[in-house]
Amino acid sequence: EIVMTQSPATLSVSPGERATLSCRASQNVRNNLAWYQQKPGQAPRLLIYGASARATGIPARFSGSGSGTEFTLTISSLQSEDFALYYCQQYITWPPMYTFGQGTKLEIK
Amino acid sequence: QLQLQESGPRLVKPSETLSLTCTVSGGSIGSSRYYWGWIRQPPGKGLEWIGSIYYTGSTYYNPSLKSRVAMSVDTSKNQFSLRLTSVTAADTAIYYCARSGPPMEEQYFDPWGQGTLVTVSS
Repeated sequence: EIVMTQSPATLSVSPGERATLSCRASQNVRNNLAWYQQKPGQAPRLLIYGASARATGIPARFSGSGSGTEFTLTISSLQSEDFALYYCQQYITWPPMYTFGQGTKLEIK
Repeated sequence: QLQLQESGPRLVKPSETLSLTCTVSGGSIGSSRYYWGWIRQPPGKGLEWIGSIYYTGSTYYNPSLKSRVAMSVDTSKNQFSLRLTSVTAADTAIYYCARSGPPMEEQYFDPWGQGTLVTVSS
């Protein structure tokens, strides 16, 4: 099983500043990585797939980078609606054994 | 716009079987050639993939749950279902259904249903 490790567990950032979230895979997943945002009481929402492609309707302030085992989600200028939980997910394995990171909580500083 | 909606009992007794159905609207399971999956999230915890099913009925399960999980698809009703046997309190979670990619393409999950909280308790 590929273990996904996100850091930090909690990130405190002020509105308007940049936030950088990390995700590390225990094995090479190439670019088979997605990022999701989850707000309280809501289902996760796809932000990024293929490590760097923004999903439909996702603002340009969200960007993903990385390949192999190290990935980053960057939010360039935090808006109030961006404070939420963020999860990464790998989907390289076949047959499927998809795994998620444990999440990073992005909170207002 | 594709939408997914989970339905089923919200309370299940220990040792019994959890059964959920996901109804898809705004698109056809049978003609869309996508995989359809179940993911769960214990209260206050992270996400766990349970399994995925293709419109043909081909299934893949998380090895940690494989002995207790069964998924099925009903293309005539545009639904797919989850059964989890011998449940314990550890199976208490929000259960989400979601669409993932076509075979041999990227398997991220989008969109998701709103989720349904299933509690295992006597």
